Amino acid sequence: NAGVTQTPKFQVLKTGQSMTLQCAQDMNHNSMYWYRQDPGMGLRLIYYSASEGTTDKGEVPNGYNVSRLNKREFSLRLESAAPSQTSVYFCASSNRGWEKLFFGSGTQLSVL
Amino acid sequence: DQQVKQNSPSLSVQEGRISILNCDYTNSMFDYFLWYKKYPAEGPTFLISISSIKDKNEDGRFTVFLNKSAKHLSLHIVPSQPGDSAVYFCAASGLSGAGSYQLTFGKGTKLSVIP
Repeated sequence: NAGVTQTPKFQVLKTGQSMTLQCAQDMNHNSMYWYRQDPGMGLRLIYYSASEGTTDKGEVPNGYNVSRLNKREFSLRLESAAPSQTSVYFCASSNRGWEKLFFGSGTQLSVL
Repeated sequence: DQQVKQNSPSLSVQEGRISILNCDYTNSMFDYFLWYKKYPAEGPTFLISISSIKDKNEDGRFTVFLNKSAKHLSLHIVPSQPGDSAVYFCAASGLSGAGSYQLTFGKGTKLSVIP
């Protein structure tokens, strides 16, 4: 019962460093999403992929890039990390568009 | 411009009593509403949803009410249990203010059920 798996669970970066957050789902879902959660801000959509081969910007895409590697995997890349990107990042997937997302357990990222 | 608002950051309720979590929205294009529950160090999990064509949906101890004219929905938990202590997010799907179809979340309400 893996569902949505995110790696790593924790990461500390220095300003300017790059990294890629990995996400994989085993539910054969078409759509995948990246959200960030900040204190007092709820969940905000960074990027999403409605289907394999497509990606679209969400509410807060600046400073991020994504790759839908295949139907299972959707990665989020920070090219030059900034302290403002300190957050908890959640990957999610669904098979019914925007209804009923299944979330991973999150990646706690700190940028110093 | 916050399209989904949860105005109560926190709520404390005695075990066995009713918990009522409220959510307001401003975008009349939203047509589907969901509640997610989140425990610390875990991802949100889907709890219950309601379509805009209904005004009530019930699942065990959880009931969601939708008042479209007031652009308001609420989640009722009866009876509340200590295991219900979590952060609850209200979410709405439909055309966003940016013109794309998205799921928009509120900021969450932290529910504490006191034994």
